[in-house]
Amino acid sequence: DVKVTQSSRYLVKRTGEKVFLECVQDMDHENMFWYRQDPGLGLRLIYFSYDVKMKEKGDIPEGYSVSREKKERFSLILESASTNQTSMYLCASSFQTSGPEQYFGPGTRLTVT
Amino acid sequence: AQSVTQPDIHITVSEGASLELRCNYSYGATPYLFWYVQSPGQGLQLLLKYFSGDTLVQGIKGFEAEFKRSQSSFNLRKPSVHWSDAAEYFCAVGAGVNTGFQKLVFGTGTRLLVSP
Repeated sequence: DVKVTQSSRYLVKRTGEKVFLECVQDMDHENMFWYRQDPGLGLRLIYFSYDVKMKEKGDIPEGYSVSREKKERFSLILESASTNQTSMYLCASSFQTSGPEQYFGPGTRLTVT
Repeated sequence: AQSVTQPDIHITVSEGASLELRCNYSYGATPYLFWYVQSPGQGLQLLLKYFSGDTLVQGIKGFEAEFKRSQSSFNLRKPSVHWSDAAEYFCAVGAGVNTGFQKLVFGTGTRLLVSP
């Protein structure tokens, strides 16, 4: 089975802190994604990576950056956390050659106070 | 641009009754279509997918969905709902022709409540 893991299930940070969310997949997927999920808004794509060191902005990249130094790991970085970044963050991964079916991690619920 | 509409925010169904969750998409050609389920506090799990071929697709947990091109719909059905089906359900369409449709666009979700 595909396994996507996220470094924390729950995280509480203070405004202005730098926050790192880590995601690891074990299926050699080329693509990796970061979403945020908010009630009534569904899932919104923050960033997408289709190869090591490659990234593409999604729909809401402002206030976020990403890093992909190894194929299996995709990090989301909040340079200076703000209260409006309190949300559920979901990581996903997929193959490039078998259609856009994505596999999701369990999510990280981030609270910024 | 691709988009997905799930018109029902909440649906309540009695245990044992049938279920249909609606999904409409906007896309010019044959889309990649998905249904995912999310239990409280969990990530998303793939229920089923449609890429091509038979328009009625079977998924896990007894779910099925039918692709209707003329109605731009991909509704999810289950003949008899169990209490464990209470969750949030998301419809998604493959998007981003420049990336080979590697990205997904999600609907806003439908929360299913199951009454005894």
